[in-house]
Amino acid sequence: DTGVSQDPRHKITKRGQNVTFRCDPISEHNRLYWYRQTLGQGPEFLTYFQNEAQLEKSRLLSDRFSAERPKGSFSTLEIQRTEQGDSAMYLCASSLGAAVQETQYFGPGTRLLVL
Amino acid sequence: GQSLEQPSEVTAVEGAIVQINCTYQTSGFYGLSWYQQHDGGAPTFLSYNALDGLEETGRFSSFLSRSDSYGYLLLQELQMKDSASYFCAGCYGQNFVFGPGTRLSVLP
Repeated sequence: DTGVSQDPRHKITKRGQNVTFRCDPISEHNRLYWYRQTLGQGPEFLTYFQNEAQLEKSRLLSDRFSAERPKGSFSTLEIQRTEQGDSAMYLCASSLGAAVQETQYFGPGTRLLVL
Repeated sequence: GQSLEQPSEVTAVEGAIVQINCTYQTSGFYGLSWYQQHDGGAPTFLSYNALDGLEETGRFSSFLSRSDSYGYLLLQELQMKDSASYFCAGCYGQNFVFGPGTRLSVLP
């Protein structure tokens, strides 16, 4: 247990529905990252926050995806109008420090299945 | 774009030494991290190299050569519990780009 928690751990939804995932980082960590991982692949960067500011978004992140970190603590990732291709593990990670290369601590992930 | 390459699978026996290589693209590159991920688990940090040379942490060592755009993870005295996927991750600007992962199988 790294201290990063994610909820829910599993989500099954029907195509076209909206889903929201939550990440609670280690409390003093100022940086929070979202990744997507499919079977047999490495984590794929989606977006990252420094405190409450969203500083980077992947070009892979379509307009159906939105992320927030309203008070610089927990974060939510919402996927609207889900598609079968959104089925994946969604990982959250947090780190402390001013440099992006600081160690990232990953949560257990939310596994999404879109039927 | 930014991409990293690593072998898909490596097999070794308990007690042996294994090296997992990683090549990366240099544009915007800051440094190279290594993560371990067991099946069903989350990635866990192993090491980070910003400068050329060898970083040693217990049984694990990591090496970086910027001139060759190349790094490796060295695992010594392999144990069964080391069976996992190992990812190199390049630090580019404000984000990390992960390689596809190397699945290590440790045999008795």
